Amino acid sequence: QSALTQPASVSGSPGQSITISCTGSSSDIGRYNYVSWYQQYPGKAPKLMIYDVSNRPSGVSNRFSGSKSDNTASLTISGLQAEDEADYYCGSFTTTSTQVFGGGTKLTVL
Amino acid sequence: QVQLVQSGADVGKPGASVKVSCKSSGYIFTDYYMHWVRQAPGQGLEWMGWINPNSGITKYPQMFQGRVTMTSDTSISTIYLELSSLRSDDTAVYYCARDHSRFGELNGMGVWGQGTTVTVSS
Repeated sequence: QSALTQPASVSGSPGQSITISCTGSSSDIGRYNYVSWYQQYPGKAPKLMIYDVSNRPSGVSNRFSGSKSDNTASLTISGLQAEDEADYYCGSFTTTSTQVFGGGTKLTVL
Repeated sequence: QVQLVQSGADVGKPGASVKVSCKSSGYIFTDYYMHWVRQAPGQGLEWMGWINPNSGITKYPQMFQGRVTMTSDTSISTIYLELSSLRSDDTAVYYCARDHSRFGELNGMGVWGQGTTVTVSS
């Protein structure tokens, strides 16, 4: 199973909105609504930010939102804040009952 | 509160095996699938497999089949990851993670352990 494709880096200024894309195939993102997004700070464990494409776990800010179109999922962060600077990973369930991650995107808040 | 506590850092020699544990608390252990994920230095997340802690049924990606074994001990709410035939590129932080939803939805990893650093060195 190939990894999902994410941009290596994105950046934005405080208050702006940014979107991170995650491209897969008809065997993962395109087939199921089991797309998840994770935030990771250096030296820390990842944190689930979005599950089932667009649902936020309890406690996650509503500035984070997710969507999907065909084989591509997206994570949008609105009202960008300095604390959002981190690495972000997408993940998906696949047709072989496995999980696959994207390569990760480094978000820089300018 | 829900918590996953992993065993401490370990060092393994090339060709040997290493075993990492992950103890769960604060929820019904058998209700949630568990995952192992690793992260090599400066690299991204790599999924290593899931286990149904109740049945012991596992699923591994092709690249780890034959080298990874995941087990569960329901009496102490603990899962284990054993990685054999260690190579230098197995040096990484290994995380256990609990599925977000109950009963095998496999829709996201909602609770994570603190990570265990495994170093492969002769």
